[in-house]
Amino acid sequence: DVKVTQSSRYLVKRTGEKVFLECVQDMDHENMFWYRQDPGLGLRLIYFSYDVKMKEKGDIPEGYSVSREKKERFSLILESASTNQTSMYLCASSLVRLKNIQYFGAGTRLSVL
Amino acid sequence: LAKTTQPISMDSYEGQEVNITCSHNNIATNDYITWYQQFPSQGPRFIIQGYKTKVTNEVASLFIPADRKSSTLSLPRVSLSDTAVYYCLVGEDSSASKIIFGSGTRLSIRP
Repeated sequence: DVKVTQSSRYLVKRTGEKVFLECVQDMDHENMFWYRQDPGLGLRLIYFSYDVKMKEKGDIPEGYSVSREKKERFSLILESASTNQTSMYLCASSLVRLKNIQYFGAGTRLSVL
Repeated sequence: LAKTTQPISMDSYEGQEVNITCSHNNIATNDYITWYQQFPSQGPRFIIQGYKTKVTNEVASLFIPADRKSSTLSLPRVSLSDTAVYYCLVGEDSSASKIIFGSGTRLSIRP
């Protein structure tokens, strides 16, 4: 079974803090994705990566950056957390030729106070 | 990008067959149709994918008419544990094009 592991289930941070959300997958998938999910808005793509050190902006990249130094790990960075970044963050991975079949982690619920 | 439209919510009862329809009028030739299920406090889970006609697996069936402008996810004999949000996605599998999940359909199953 594919496993996508997110480092934290719950996280509480202060406004202005730098926040790192980590995601690791164990199936050698080329693609990795970061989404945020808010009530009534569904899942929105923040960034995705199709290879090490490669990244593409999603629909809502503002206020976020990402890092992919190793194939199995994809990090989401909030340079200076703000209250409007309070959300559920979901990481996913997929094979490059099966982009629409994604495997998701359990999510990180981030609260920025 | 093909936009999808689904009902916001649906209700049904245990033991019934549930059909959730997704409209995607602007679907492109190379687009596949993919459905996910999401339980509260969990990430979405892939259910089924199809290109045309009918696809069936151990969880669900997917019906796609010849014009491919809509698709129907069919859940046979639902149980309380099928209460979840169901998302329909349309897009190419191998391109770098963006993926849009939309707001999904909230399915509630009652005893």
